[in-house]
Amino acid sequence: EDQVTQSPEALRLQEGESSSLNCSYTVSGLRGLFWYRQDPGKGPEFLFTLYSAGEEKEKERLKATLTKKESFLHITAPKPEDSATYLCAFTTDSWGKLQFGSGTQVVVTP
Amino acid sequence: SAVISQKPSRDICQRGTSLTIQCQVDSQVTMMFWYRQQPGQSLTLIATANQGSEATYESGFVIDKFPISRPNLTFSTLTVSNMSPEDSSIYLCSVEDRGHGYTFGSGTRLTVV
Repeated sequence: EDQVTQSPEALRLQEGESSSLNCSYTVSGLRGLFWYRQDPGKGPEFLFTLYSAGEEKEKERLKATLTKKESFLHITAPKPEDSATYLCAFTTDSWGKLQFGSGTQVVVTP
Repeated sequence: SAVISQKPSRDICQRGTSLTIQCQVDSQVTMMFWYRQQPGQSLTLIATANQGSEATYESGFVIDKFPISRPNLTFSTLTVSNMSPEDSSIYLCSVEDRGHGYTFGSGTRLTVV
């Protein structure tokens, strides 16, 4: 069965303390690995799509990487506004059914 | 990127009643997706709505419980029928957004009492 597993479930960081979130996957025919940010009471906000092993994408303090077994979301020098739940998801379809992991809740304290 | 307007943003409903959630997109899209996020959990796809055809439901979701309409390329509704407290969740619509992955609405927070 295709699935993704996110770790850790929760992460508490000091402002400026870099860290990484993991999304390990067992997926046959991966067509895209997605990272989203979700703030309380809001819908998920798109961050990145990765399509093949070795691919990397960056946006401000966030960098996503993909290997054949897992994806990492690196948060460099986080700020309190980076506090959110980060979700990874995958699709094996061309028409976009996303299957989500359980998320990592990140809290960044000043 | 696409902008999605979802209504209502929240509602409290009596068990046994139905609620219709609306999703309006500011551009034409082929497919619209409806997700459910139960308290403290991640998102699960309910169904995919294609304009002009019946929605495709995922395992565990049935049309009688979650009827969907898709009258045009910018609008869809999801109805939660004969509600019970177990239906208390956040319901979200989503569309493919070229270059921006899949964009989600802000969600409808439903509480069934």
